[in-house]
Amino acid sequence: DAMVIQNPRYQVTQFGKPVTLSCSQTLNHNVMYWYQQKSSQAPKLLFHYYDKDFNNEADTPDNFQSRRPNTSFCFLDIRSPGLGDAAMYLCATSGVDHEQYFGPGTRLTVT
Amino acid sequence: QKEVEQNSGPLSVPEGAIASLNCTYSDRVSQSFFWYRQYSGKSPELIMSIYSNGDKEDGRFTAQLNKASQYVSLLIRDSQPSDSATYLCAALTDSWGKLQFGAGTQVVVTP
Repeated sequence: DAMVIQNPRYQVTQFGKPVTLSCSQTLNHNVMYWYQQKSSQAPKLLFHYYDKDFNNEADTPDNFQSRRPNTSFCFLDIRSPGLGDAAMYLCATSGVDHEQYFGPGTRLTVT
Repeated sequence: QKEVEQNSGPLSVPEGAIASLNCTYSDRVSQSFFWYRQYSGKSPELIMSIYSNGDKEDGRFTAQLNKASQYVSLLIRDSQPSDSATYLCAALTDSWGKLQFGAGTQVVVTP
């Protein structure tokens, strides 16, 4: 089945220790997104890629970076995680119809 | 004014009844809308998309779009306890696929 995969599902990191989250897709969609979602809040868009064209939201902290080495993979790097970065990180993809399909998410805990 | 607004709930619905969820939007979004279901601790799952005025039905779900009044709604017929979740309304905001999410409405179906 075509899908969006995220690894790891749960990540625990220490305050200030860099962490990388990964996302892969078999849908062959050209757009990939990273969202941050905290409890009882809507998903907050951090970045998106249209093919290799990178776009970050104006309020995305510099602490967050992203890479998309090819169509199938996308990475989210948090250079120095703070306690406020603890959240669910969601990867999504979309095609020409703009329907976004989400991966299962990575729950990040910062200690 | 927020671009996409939903009542946060919780919306309590007896099993077997119809759950009615509403979402209003501003002029700043486009005319394509999406409903997602999100179980606690899980990622959003696309239920329906709607692009034109009127009703769209898929199984027990019906989405309704009224462009003149700037609202979009979701009806869940024959509600089941498994429908208990948060329902997110999202609007397409530009041509590459960026979505603006509402805060979500929590639905609780009681046996």
